[in-house]
Amino acid sequence: QKEVEQDPGPLSVPEGAIVSLNCTYSNSAFQYFMWYRQYSRKGPELLMYTYSSGNKEDGRFTAQVDKSSKYISLFIRDSQPSDSATYLCASHTGGFKTIFGAGTRLFVKA
Amino acid sequence: NAGVTQTPKFRVLKTGQSMTLLCAQDMNHEYMYWYRQDPGMGLRLIHYSVGEGTTAKGEVPDGYNVSRLKKQNFLLGLESAAPSQTSVYFCASTARDALLDEQYFGPGTRLTVT
Repeated sequence: QKEVEQDPGPLSVPEGAIVSLNCTYSNSAFQYFMWYRQYSRKGPELLMYTYSSGNKEDGRFTAQVDKSSKYISLFIRDSQPSDSATYLCASHTGGFKTIFGAGTRLFVKA
Repeated sequence: NAGVTQTPKFRVLKTGQSMTLLCAQDMNHEYMYWYRQDPGMGLRLIHYSVGEGTTAKGEVPDGYNVSRLKKQNFLLGLESAAPSQTSVYFCASTARDALLDEQYFGPGTRLTVT
């Protein structure tokens, strides 16, 4: 079992929809939780991060962590075609080795 | 400021051939990583380095070697390529004092082994 599990999708939604992307993790020592966005044929780039449990909002994006259920979520409001990408959740314990999920492909149709 | 660059962008190898992938970063980062990305498998760590002259094995190191002779460069070598090494290879770097461990990725190298 991978330490971070993620549904690969693809997930296809119409423009303007609210998107929910989810991951589960197994390592209770994880403290930092990140979402990376990867456009086609590009390297991943950090989109959002949270420390421990709780929510963090940045514009149309909200990252949520529930440590009691080991669940990581990313919500995208008013989704745009430019949000079409692969979203990777990631986590680490506070050291320097990050564990990545396999990524969920998102398509936002105009 | 170019960030993380990778050379080459594409390569086709025959089974048994060797090659070296070059990663360079201009952000003075201490930590550097090599990942491979395969469909359904996500990013898997091959080797990493915590500083000049140091290297360590990651999750899938077999068939690969690395060297970090200069702080800004991290080389990944395939001594005898196999079809199972067909993948997209990403290099990344992180600052040592980055508590968040935000990784900066290069654009990737698409390798096909026939």
